[in-house]
Formats: sequence, structure tokens, C-alpha cells
Amino acid sequence: DAGITQSPRYKITETGRQVTLMCHQTWSHSYMFWYRQDLGHGLRLIYYSAAADITDKGEVPDGYVVSRSKTENFPLTLESATRSQTSVYFCASSVRRGQDTQYFGPGTRLTVL
Amino acid sequence: DQQVKQNSPSLSVQEGRISILNCDYTNSMFDYFLWYKKYPAEGPTFLISISSIKDKNEDGRFTVFLNKSAKHLSLHIVPSQPGDSAVYFCAASVNNNAGNMLTFGGGTRLMVKP
Repeated sequence: DAGITQSPRYKITETGRQVTLMCHQTWSHSYMFWYRQDLGHGLRLIYYSAAADITDKGEVPDGYVVSRSKTENFPLTLESATRSQTSVYFCASSVRRGQDTQYFGPGTRLTVL
Repeated sequence: DQQVKQNSPSLSVQEGRISILNCDYTNSMFDYFLWYKKYPAEGPTFLISISSIKDKNEDGRFTVFLNKSAKHLSLHIVPSQPGDSAVYFCAASVNNNAGNMLTFGGGTRLMVKP
């Protein structure tokens, strides 16, 4: 029973490099989300997806790209990493639209040098 | 402008006593509120929720209170245990066609001392 997993758990990269963070869920949840956690800001929504091939921007989408070709996967790509993107990234999923509980992955700590 | 605020970044409580974590919001359209708990190096986990049609919801040692007129909610933990030491996030959502988008507060770190 894997639930929702993220990889890598830790990543160090350099400014300007492309980085992809992976998210995989085994529940067949329709909705998936990407958040970043920064001190003082809590969790802020980057992008979300209502189903395969349907994605939309959240609160802080600039500098990020997402795709969802399969229901179970929701990768997040930083096309040209910047230091301000140093953060902890969490993926989450939920069953359906509405006031549903979101289930979070363990997070990826990304450092951009 | 943060729509959900947790004004206390940290809280220290003695084991067995009550922990009260507070959360304020500004968007009157929020109609569903949740608390998540987060341990270090783990993702947040759902703790308890409350709909705006209620003013209280209880689950074991955890009770959430909602004061809609004050746009304020609080989480009470009684009695507090050392294992409750974690960061607590409140979150709010609007039940609309955009899905269940959550807006999170900045978090409060709770430390329960033995």
C-alpha cells in the first residue's frame, strides 16, 4: 500500500538547470496538487489537476510546468531553476471535487545553488 | 495578502494541559475548514475539519471551534501529549466549481513538554 510517493526526496541543483520532481499515487484519485512550503508562508498551491490532461494554475505557478498524461502521475518541472525556488515541495491527491481531504506525499527538499 | 493567518508561530504546553491553536481568515466565502498536522520530514496529514454550518466538531482529544462572525477558528487538544508535538496548519476552502482548493495558514509549531 504505497499511497502517494515523491521522488527524489532530496535534490541539489544549480541555477538555470531543469529539474523534474515526480509524484505517483496508487489510489486512482482524480485530483492532484503541487504545493511548496516556505517559512512563514505555509503551503502555497503551485498547480493542480482535476484529471488526466487537465491542469490549472494555482497561487504561485511562475517558473513551473506540469503535465498529467496518466491519472497516477503528476510531475512538476522547474524549467530553469532559480534560488527563490529553493523550498520543500509536496504533492497531494484527493478523490473528487468538493470539500475532500487531501492526502500528501512525504515531500521533496530542493536546494538551488 | 494572506487570506488565512496563524499569528502564533510557536506554542509550548505542558503534557496533560490544553493546547489551543488559533487561525484567522479574511475571505467570507470560505465555507470549509481543516487542520493538518505535520511531523518533520513527512507530509501533512489530515486531522479534523469543520463545515461552516457548524460551530464545533469533536474527534477524541481534538475539537475545532468556528466563529464565523469573527472569522476565527481554533483547535483544542485536551489533554496534550508529547506525541502531539508537530507543526499544525489550518486551511480553508470554498466549495465551488474550481474544485477543493485549499488556502493554508503559515503554521504553528506546537511543543508539548513531558
